[in-house]
Amino acid sequence: SQQGEEDPQALSIQEGENATMNCSYKTSINNLQWYRQNSGRGLVHLILIRSNEREKHSGRLRVTLDTSKKSSSLLITASRAADTASYFCATVSWGKLQFGAGTQVVVTP
Amino acid sequence: DGGITQSPKYLFRKEGQNVTLSCEQNLNHDAMYWYRQDPGQGLRLIYYSQIVNDFQKGDIAEGYSVSREKKESFPLTVTSAQKNPTAFYLCASSIATGQETQYFGPGTRLLVL
Repeated sequence: SQQGEEDPQALSIQEGENATMNCSYKTSINNLQWYRQNSGRGLVHLILIRSNEREKHSGRLRVTLDTSKKSSSLLITASRAADTASYFCATVSWGKLQFGAGTQVVVTP
Repeated sequence: DGGITQSPKYLFRKEGQNVTLSCEQNLNHDAMYWYRQDPGQGLRLIYYSQIVNDFQKGDIAEGYSVSREKKESFPLTVTSAQKNPTAFYLCASSIATGQETQYFGPGTRLLVL
């Protein structure tokens, strides 16, 4: 069963614009993680936010977590063509990661 | 050069055949995982192992088997009982099961002839 659900399913933007995607989940979590997957490749970990944190930054990435709404958002600022990928949120509960279906982001030059 | 490797990159299975996907890591991680990814979908957990000689079923274990005889290795066998094996298979590892980041291999794409 998928715990997290990303929204939107797909996003197309131009270089330099910001990209925002959201993740909603159903049950309580220990932490929430965001991963990136380039086409036909493995996943790469981007950022982890713990349940007692509200916001976290890593380079051009900003993640927020609202446990009262059971939701998280990932913001990529000043996007580049190399950011084209699928982005997945994964929630950790009972020691296991559960992934959403992902948001496919296309950044055009 | 540390990391997690999977082989082969592509694998073809004939009707009624068992095939084994390899996963090796030199990160000294205790926990290893196998996921299945279908087109346009997220990952679903097949099996995971917290420590050598121990493994647990995930959400979709039917038709699959694993072994964990060495810390570095966690092979996945797709048996003939798996009626719809065509998918992208991803192996991952983490320091321990629980809250930690998982590190993924490059994946194996399994196709049925």
